[in-house]
Amino acid sequence: QKEVEQDPGPLSVPEGAIVSLNCTYSNSAFQYFMWYRQYSRKGPELLMYTYSSGNKEDGRFTAQVDKSSKYISLFIRDSQPSDSATYLCAMEGAGANSKLTFGKGITLSVRP
Amino acid sequence: NAGVTQTPKFQVLKTGQSMTLQCAQDMNHNSMYWYRQDPGMGLRLIYYSASEGTTDKGEVPNGYNVSRLNKREFSLRLESAAPSQTSVYFCASKRMGRGADTQYFGPGTRLTVL
Repeated sequence: QKEVEQDPGPLSVPEGAIVSLNCTYSNSAFQYFMWYRQYSRKGPELLMYTYSSGNKEDGRFTAQVDKSSKYISLFIRDSQPSDSATYLCAMEGAGANSKLTFGKGITLSVRP
Repeated sequence: NAGVTQTPKFQVLKTGQSMTLQCAQDMNHNSMYWYRQDPGMGLRLIYYSASEGTTDKGEVPNGYNVSRLNKREFSLRLESAAPSQTSVYFCASKRMGRGADTQYFGPGTRLTVL
């Protein structure tokens, strides 16, 4: 079993839809959970960052972490064509030399 | 600040050729990383440097070497390129090795090995 599993997609939704992106993981040592957004032919950029369990909201984006189920989600409300990108979940432990483990990414297309 | 910069942006090599990918950051970060990204495989860590003077292997180090030249620069070398090394390579940096800090990525180098 891979440490981090992410639905491969792709995903296509109409503008204004609510999008739900999910990842599961197996390593209980993970403490920091992130979502990166990557536009075509660009490097990934950090979108949301959560420590341990709980919710975090930033504008139209909400990140949820459920450590008991080893499950994280990213919700996008009122999706826009500019949200079309690849979304990668990533997570790491709290150790001094911790390293990010990424999901494979899901490509989202928001249709006008 | 330029953030994380990578050179070259594109490169085509023949099998057996060597090359060095350059990465530099101007954020005074301690930790630097090299990843490769392949379709359907996500980002995989090749090598990392937790601090100046140290380097360690990641998930897929075979066929690569690295040098942490100073705090700013971290290079990746392919000694004898193979078609399996065709990929997009990303360099990243982070202030500290611990999980509390954000990792910043460069724009990538697209490498094709014929």
